[in-house]
Amino acid sequence: AQKITQTQPGMFVQEKEAVTLDCTYDTSDPSYGLFWYKQPSSGEMIFLIYQGSYDQQNATEGRYSLNFQKARKSANLVISASQLGDSAMYFCAMREGGGGATNKLIFGTGTLLAVQP
Amino acid sequence: DGGITQSPKYLFRKEGQNVTLSCEQNLNHDAMYWYRQDPGQGLRLIYYSQIVNDFQKGDIAEGYSVSREKKESFPLTVTSAQKNPTAFYLCASKPSGIYNEQFFGPGTRLTVL
Repeated sequence: AQKITQTQPGMFVQEKEAVTLDCTYDTSDPSYGLFWYKQPSSGEMIFLIYQGSYDQQNATEGRYSLNFQKARKSANLVISASQLGDSAMYFCAMREGGGGATNKLIFGTGTLLAVQP
Repeated sequence: DGGITQSPKYLFRKEGQNVTLSCEQNLNHDAMYWYRQDPGQGLRLIYYSQIVNDFQKGDIAEGYSVSREKKESFPLTVTSAQKNPTAFYLCASKPSGIYNEQFFGPGTRLTVL
């Protein structure tokens, strides 16, 4: 069965430093997508970055990059130059199938990141 | 501005009452989704709809019902059959085609007293 695992319930990072949030996944479908969302204390889910299973290069979006290691089934989020506003809950999610499928997302349990000044 | 609205932000109900959560989007998206979030857990899919007048059960549909009479609207009813309705409810939408991202609303926090 498909599954997303985030093993870090909480993390601290100093402002301006980089931080890696771990995510491993399990699926038997060769076509899938991996997402990272940020959830501030206000509750809304903010899309950060996407990686498709057939993408050859790791995805990057500004200060966010996704370290995609297909053989290890891991999709870690790297945030460079952390800012105080990065303090939030971060969720890794997976979609099985191509973009035209049901597009159901399976979420991990999240990692709470606290950026310290 | 385009986006997804959920109302109300906070909702209180007595046990045994049905309650309907609103979700409206003006993004012209075909697909819409309802998720439930409990403390310390990720989001779990309740129902989803890919087109008007059609919807499918997600992983935790028991005790919930939905309708999709208009493209813009996907209301969720939490019935008295839902054993533990107190949770944070998030609605999302997604365009058809090659886009992959789901766009989320601000959420409704439901507390059943």
